[in-house]
Amino acid sequence: NAGVMQNPRHLVRRRGQEARLRCSPMKGHSHVYWYRQLPEEGLKFMVYLQKENIIDESGMPKERFSAEFPKEGPSILRIQQVVRGDSAAYFCASSPIRDEDTQYFGPGTRLTVL
Amino acid sequence: LAKTTQPISMDSYEGQEVNITCSHNNIATNDYITWYQQFPSQGPRFIIQGYKTKVTNEVASLFIPADRKSSTLSLPRVSLSDTAVYYCLVGGGAAGNKLTFGGGTRVLVKP
Repeated sequence: NAGVMQNPRHLVRRRGQEARLRCSPMKGHSHVYWYRQLPEEGLKFMVYLQKENIIDESGMPKERFSAEFPKEGPSILRIQQVVRGDSAAYFCASSPIRDEDTQYFGPGTRLTVL
Repeated sequence: LAKTTQPISMDSYEGQEVNITCSHNNIATNDYITWYQQFPSQGPRFIIQGYKTKVTNEVASLFIPADRKSSTLSLPRVSLSDTAVYYCLVGGGAAGNKLTFGGGTRVLVKP
């Protein structure tokens, strides 16, 4: 059973460009979460999605950030007009539908904004 | 979400047992306690989860006293490869819980 997959693993963008980060959850998992981690800090929740629905986006910046989890295909975290402060590691996690709600994390995408 | 407090760092030696205690005084009735391990440049890896008493798996043990206001992760006979950051989280009890990570405990295992 393949784990959570994220690509690209490393992404370099110039200020003002768009960044698209992809996440494929584990097989059988219908919940996807995105987190951001700055150097030397813990992960910060951004958004929680189920197929075709955003359930909780309380951690998403109000502008330039969006996320989707379509019926088919991976979940996408999109950052428009990137700025240097967006440089971070972005982790995706997935979980099945069960009460314990253990989340399994992908390897992350490291975004560097020049 | 319940706030957690854990030591910033701990040093140990190969073959020793490492115990990391986490305080979570405001834990709610339906909260679970979960520990994750993170190596540099990798995503957090689930270690163990519990609700009360003791839970043991092939990697670690988790001790939770009756009042559930703290928990202790026990790593038996650590090796150099156990050097990582360990995060204690509380919450959950239903799907959709957003995890709240604190600063974690940096464990350094020395030869």
